[in-house]
Amino acid sequence: DAKTTQPTSMDCAEGRAANLPCNHSTISGNEYVYWYRQIHSQGPQYIIHGLKNNETNEMASLIITEDRKSSTLILPHATLRDTAVYYCIVEGNQGGKLIFGQGTELSVKP
Amino acid sequence: DADVTQTPRNRITKTGKRIMLECSQTKGHDRMYWYRQDPGLGLRLIYYSFDVKDINKGEISDGYSVSRQAQAKFSLSLESAIPNQTALYFCATSSAGPYNEQFFGPGTRLTVL
Repeated sequence: DAKTTQPTSMDCAEGRAANLPCNHSTISGNEYVYWYRQIHSQGPQYIIHGLKNNETNEMASLIITEDRKSSTLILPHATLRDTAVYYCIVEGNQGGKLIFGQGTELSVKP
Repeated sequence: DADVTQTPRNRITKTGKRIMLECSQTKGHDRMYWYRQDPGLGLRLIYYSFDVKDINKGEISDGYSVSRQAQAKFSLSLESAIPNQTALYFCATSSAGPYNEQFFGPGTRLTVL
């Protein structure tokens, strides 16, 4: 069973922030939230992960609610190259099984 | 050079044929994975290996087998290919640390006629 729920698709204007939501209401205390993206049938690419605190790296920011039941991936200045399917994945810290749902198809438009 | 390579990149085969997909990595990671992706769907885990002597079934292992020949090599075999195994296959690697950052290969597009 899928542990996460994401919108099927979203649009974003180039240069604007893209905010991708994810619900994970059954997340356990030791499970991380991971975000990956897949650009047009290429291999998925890791973006960011977090446990409780908000995280930021060179690609994106991850905002996790205090109850950890949802999170938002933020691409601060979306470009056309950010058009991809974005997967939100919840996984325990034992490694191994990433369960990919159907993700959110983000289209960045000029 | 790519850290995770897959061969072949494209393959067309016939029903009943045995086929092997190969994955090599230069990242020095202990953990390796095989996924398949069907059109419009997310990836599904076939097999994974946490070290050379470790093999584990994923959610869709029926009809597949794997071999971990070395730390850097992990092969996926279809003993008798069938048309519904037509898919995009990805290999991935990760380190043995607490975080599951996986690095994916470019994929193999397999068509079974």
